Amino acid sequence: EIVLAQSPGTLSLSPGERATLSCRASQSINLNFLAWYQQKPGQAPRLLIYHASSRATGIPDRFSGSGSGTDFTLTISRLDPEDFAVYYCQQYGSSPITFGQGTRLEIK
Amino acid sequence: QVQLVQSGAEVKKPGASVKVSCKASGYTLTSYAITWVRQAPGQGLEWMGWISAHNGDTRFAQQLQDRFTMTTDTSTSTAYMQLRSLRSDDTAVYYCARLRLGVLSSAFDYWGQGTLVTVSS
Repeated sequence: EIVLAQSPGTLSLSPGERATLSCRASQSINLNFLAWYQQKPGQAPRLLIYHASSRATGIPDRFSGSGSGTDFTLTISRLDPEDFAVYYCQQYGSSPITFGQGTRLEIK
Repeated sequence: QVQLVQSGAEVKKPGASVKVSCKASGYTLTSYAITWVRQAPGQGLEWMGWISAHNGDTRFAQQLQDRFTMTTDTSTSTAYMQLRSLRSDDTAVYYCARLRLGVLSSAFDYWGQGTLVTVSS
């Protein structure tokens, strides 16, 4: 099973700042099948990024993904108030599919 | 537009079973798989398994495979999950999501609204 470690656990930033979230895998992810999701309280997760760097339909271009192999990054270039949420990375390249433990992005 | 609409909240006693439905619309069910994810209160996301609506192939999370079943009904574009021998730690919100299998996969691109299953005596 591929274990995903997200850091930091909590990130405190202000609107307009840049956010950098990290996801490190215990082994190389097949086909770079790494996704990022945003979840707000009481809502289902929303797909932001798939295949490490492809933005999902309707996702603003301030969200970008990068990385390959075992190290991946989600960057939010300029934080909007609606971006404060929990973010999960996920690998879907091998079974079992696994999620990271999440990074909480909170308003400073 | 693609939509996944799940059945309503359930309250079950320990040892019982629960069945949750996920009705798909806006796309051809058999072109994708349906996957199930759960989230215990205040916790992260746990993948449970997926089922191909095309040929019925399945993959399960090992810790659940003995008491977890997934099915699809292509005539009604509905997927189902059933969890048996419920325990208190099965209390969670259960989500279905769409998944394209293979090299063109775009992860879990559409999600249902979630179904709260509470297990309590």
